[in-house]
Amino acid sequence: GAVVSQHPSRVICKSGTSVKIECRSLDFQATTMFWYRQFPKQSLMLMATSNEGSKATYEQGVEKDKFLINHASLTLSTLTVTSAHPEDSSFYICSASGTGDFNEQFFGPGTRLTVL
Amino acid sequence: QQQVKQSPQSLIVQKGGIPIINCAYENTAFDYFPWYQQFPGKGPALLIAIRPDVSEKKEGRFTISFNKSAKQFSLHIMDSQPGDSATYFCAANDGGYNKLIFGAGTRLAVHP
Repeated sequence: GAVVSQHPSRVICKSGTSVKIECRSLDFQATTMFWYRQFPKQSLMLMATSNEGSKATYEQGVEKDKFLINHASLTLSTLTVTSAHPEDSSFYICSASGTGDFNEQFFGPGTRLTVL
Repeated sequence: QQQVKQSPQSLIVQKGGIPIINCAYENTAFDYFPWYQQFPGKGPALLIAIRPDVSEKKEGRFTISFNKSAKQFSLHIMDSQPGDSATYFCAANDGGYNKLIFGAGTRLAVHP
């Protein structure tokens, strides 16, 4: 149980375009979903926290107009990188919590974004 | 105060050895301490987790030792195998904010 999927797993786009990444909890209802960004050989950096039906809470320094997060249902959250630029190239990982003690987070497999 | 400090940055052991990864924290509000394993190009996977009212937890070859007074916790991998070669992250959760604070990670290499 507690499986989280992400789609796509890999995306390459041109500078200036927008990219949407989906995060789904497959076998549980995720009251909270999280979006992380990870640069090579670095730790995970939390970008934002979203609760179903509410606006996302962004971490300091994360541009909410650039990284649009929608959590429309208990099993789906989306991250849209708007007007992507090469510096947005990174590994984006979502996680979901809603089951178990202490709000355990279960992570998706990640999405590799490359902006040319 | 929100940091979790992890060491070492990298670690090399021989097959069968017992790598130990250490983490320290300052915030006494942290109430959940998970360890994650991440392979290249994959998302982190939960390995084992502990709460502050327990001093040790074992799951298979993985053991967490927790020292509440010292605000430190560590991961031990018994009988390590080459397949354990990965990056390991400790983390701490402040239940009030429902956020995980991650350590910097430890790259473990287990040589045959």
